[in-house]
Amino acid sequence: DVKVTQSSRYLVKRTGEKVFLECVQDMDHENMFWYRQDPGLGLRLIYFSYDVKMKEKGDIPEGYSVSREKKERFSLILESASTNQTSMYLCASREGIAKNIQYFGAGTRLSVL
Amino acid sequence: GDSVTQMEGPVTLSEEAFLTINCTYTATGYPSLFWYVQYPGEGLQLLLKATKADDKGSNKGFEATYRKETTSFHLEKGSVQVSDSAVYFCALSDPYNQGGKLIFGQGTELSVKP
Repeated sequence: DVKVTQSSRYLVKRTGEKVFLECVQDMDHENMFWYRQDPGLGLRLIYFSYDVKMKEKGDIPEGYSVSREKKERFSLILESASTNQTSMYLCASREGIAKNIQYFGAGTRLSVL
Repeated sequence: GDSVTQMEGPVTLSEEAFLTINCTYTATGYPSLFWYVQYPGEGLQLLLKATKADDKGSNKGFEATYRKETTSFHLEKGSVQVSDSAVYFCALSDPYNQGGKLIFGQGTELSVKP
């Protein structure tokens, strides 16, 4: 079974803090994604990565950055957290172009106070 | 741009009732279509998928058919169980666009009562 692990289930941070959300996958997938989930909006893509050190902006990248130093790990960084970044964050990795299936982690619920 | 619209919830059904959750999409290319399910406190799990017109995806008694003529991918189940209570997301993906990103509908919450 594919396993996508997010390091924290719940986080509480203060406005202005630098926040790291970590994601690890164990299936050697090349593509990884960060989404945020908000009620009534579904999931929206923040950033994605094709491979190590390669990253692309998604639909809502403002206020976020990412890091992919190793193939299995994809980190989401909030440089200066703000209250409007309070949300559920979901990481995913993709099993190839042909199958095109994404596997999700359990999510990190972030509250910025 | 591409988009997905699904029926609003919450949907409340009695056990063994028939379920339909409507999903329609707009897309410029030929995307794959998916239903994902999210149980309380968990991440998303793939429920079923279809990659081309007239394909039927099925899993755990759920099924959906890729209808290009009506741009729809409605989710159905003949007899729901309490354990089916969850949030269901319809999504599309062009595997060659933006790494195959998923474009999601807003989600439909299903509650099944005994």
